[in-house]
Amino acid sequence: GQQLNQSPQSMFIQEGEDVSMNCTSSSIFNTWLWYKQDPGEGPVLLIALYKAGELTSNGRLTAQFGITRKDSFLNISASIPSDVGIYFCAGPGNRDDKIIFGKGTRLHILP
Amino acid sequence: DSGVTQTPKHLITATGQRVTLRCSPRSGDLSVYWYQQSLDQGLQFLIQYYNGEERAKGNILERFSAQQFPDLHSELNLSSLELGDSALYFCASTFGGRATDTQYFGPGTRLTVL
Repeated sequence: GQQLNQSPQSMFIQEGEDVSMNCTSSSIFNTWLWYKQDPGEGPVLLIALYKAGELTSNGRLTAQFGITRKDSFLNISASIPSDVGIYFCAGPGNRDDKIIFGKGTRLHILP
Repeated sequence: DSGVTQTPKHLITATGQRVTLRCSPRSGDLSVYWYQQSLDQGLQFLIQYYNGEERAKGNILERFSAQQFPDLHSELNLSSLELGDSALYFCASTFGGRATDTQYFGPGTRLTVL
């Protein structure tokens, strides 16, 4: 079945650093979604991408829809403590009737 | 606050038992999605309902079932519980039936099976 591979699995960074994470798919996607899950809460949609090559920002977050349509990237600039959490990429299943989530990148910020 | 409510927040039960998890979607949303989140498997889609009808099915076990009622709230029933069913269960809602629309997630129900 379709799979999404996220890397890295976890990151430990200093406050103020920039962060990059990516997601690759075994098949072509026509939509890429990035969700964030804060500790103890449900995921929240950060950015949605609908076109190959698209670059979309949401504050300090920027995501890109890869040209091959098999990957996507999320960057966070100047990280702050509230950026801690799990970042999931997601995309539609084969029949667009569900979305498939990657296993997440867990972001930790060192004091 | 996403506007999606889930009850109970925590549930502790024994193997072999049956539990019901409840979800109320955001006001006006017609579609409800159920997910299971475990440490090793991440977020797994279970099932979707749209306006009372089952719309899509994922990796939902036969021991699990769900329904959406006329007032659009949904219940997920888990029976013959096993230790491996311990997980966080989330529901999410959208206005339409497209899974790629923004899904608004509830706070989750943490199920512990002892």
